[in-house]
Amino acid sequence: QVQLQQWGAGLLKSSETLSLTCGVYGGSFSDYFWSWIRQPPGKGLEWIGEINHSGSANYNPSLKSRVTISVDTSKNQFSLKLSSVTAADTAVYYCARVKRWRNVFDFWGQGTMVTVSS
Amino acid sequence: DIQMTQSPSSVSASVGDRVTITCRASQSISTWLAWYQQRPGKAPKLLIYAVSSLQSGVPSRFSGSGSGTDFTLTISSLQPEDFATYYCQQANSFPRTFGQGTKVEIK
Repeated sequence: QVQLQQWGAGLLKSSETLSLTCGVYGGSFSDYFWSWIRQPPGKGLEWIGEINHSGSANYNPSLKSRVTISVDTSKNQFSLKLSSVTAADTAVYYCARVKRWRNVFDFWGQGTMVTVSS
Repeated sequence: DIQMTQSPSSVSASVGDRVTITCRASQSISTWLAWYQQRPGKAPKLLIYAVSSLQSGVPSRFSGSGSGTDFTLTISSLQPEDFATYYCQQANSFPRTFGQGTKVEIK
């Protein structure tokens, strides 16, 4: 069974860089794209971007200038960096697996609440 | 970006009721449509992909239909564990986008 376990700092100050990592346990790492999605408190879901094992990435244009998603295939991990955060970046951040050929998210991490204070 | 609009925003229903949620895309997405269930404090759970394909382990009381721009999620007989928020997602193009959610509440 595939499990995604994520970790990273939960409290940031404005202008700092958000950094989260997601570890993938079980199943193949190289056969999939891996994604980050966020959800502000009480609001809906926003796709941030995705990456595959070779480092090919796609980003949401609304965040592209501040986002970097990277991969470490030796550890079956992928990471998110979001620079110059503001209060608007306060959200629960999820990592997720992209279901092959379907472009949907079939396994999710537990979520990390990230709060940006001014 | 493709905008996804769900209706209603919330629905009150009783156990055993049939519940229908609709999702409209701002342009055609063919059959690239998924539905998720999210319980409070939990990650979303994939229910349906490709409009009507049930994800493994999802009960058959969940079903989906539609194509192009208009889609429907139906819960045939609402169970206590189905009270949650439901989201649609278009999988046709980047950026992937979600509807704003429909909260199914206990009547």
